[in-house]
Amino acid sequence: TQLLEQSPQFLSIQEGENLTVYCNSSSVFSSLQWYRQEPGEGPVLLVTVVTGGEVKKLKRLTFQFGDARKDSSLHITAAQPGDTGLYLCAATVTGTASKLTFGTGTRLQVTL
Amino acid sequence: DVKVTQSSRYLVKRTGEKVFLECVQDMDHENMFWYRQDPGLGLRLIYFSYDVKMKEKGDIPEGYSVSREKKERFSLILESASTNQTSMYLCAIRGLYEQYFGPGTRLTVT
Repeated sequence: TQLLEQSPQFLSIQEGENLTVYCNSSSVFSSLQWYRQEPGEGPVLLVTVVTGGEVKKLKRLTFQFGDARKDSSLHITAAQPGDTGLYLCAATVTGTASKLTFGTGTRLQVTL
Repeated sequence: DVKVTQSSRYLVKRTGEKVFLECVQDMDHENMFWYRQDPGLGLRLIYFSYDVKMKEKGDIPEGYSVSREKKERFSLILESASTNQTSMYLCAIRGLYEQYFGPGTRLTVT
């Protein structure tokens, strides 16, 4: 059973469009991270959210942590080809110490 | 900046060979992790270590072992490589909440 469900799995959009990626679970998280991974490389941390209801912005990326700390979303405004990659959410389930659980990822392709 | 390095970016080995993958960090972090990543299966934890000479099994430890003799170095060992161990291997260290990854090793077992 996948603890973290990401949707959609695949997304192909044109430059300038907006998109939202979701990360959901029935478990409560003590923290949640979003990563971006390019082909042949390791995941790179984008953001960490800790507080329920928290919103963080990173240029054109907006990250939100659900009030109950069970879900999160990543919104990209005016997508660019450089946003292409695999987006992963990962979370520490409350009480599981230092291990992270990863979602299966959302593969985003942004075309001109 | 956190730096995690892995000994090889690409590796091709034959079935039955013993394979060593090495990970080195420069941040004095206690927790280090080895994952494999396969299409459709996401990242799966193989082993992790929370201190020198300490190790714990992750979700898929079968066919692997690890070694942590020094704090900065965490090695993943495939005692007898098999074709189903062809994968992308990722090492990571843990910060306060998040993990920082190395660039990965693409291992092909033929």
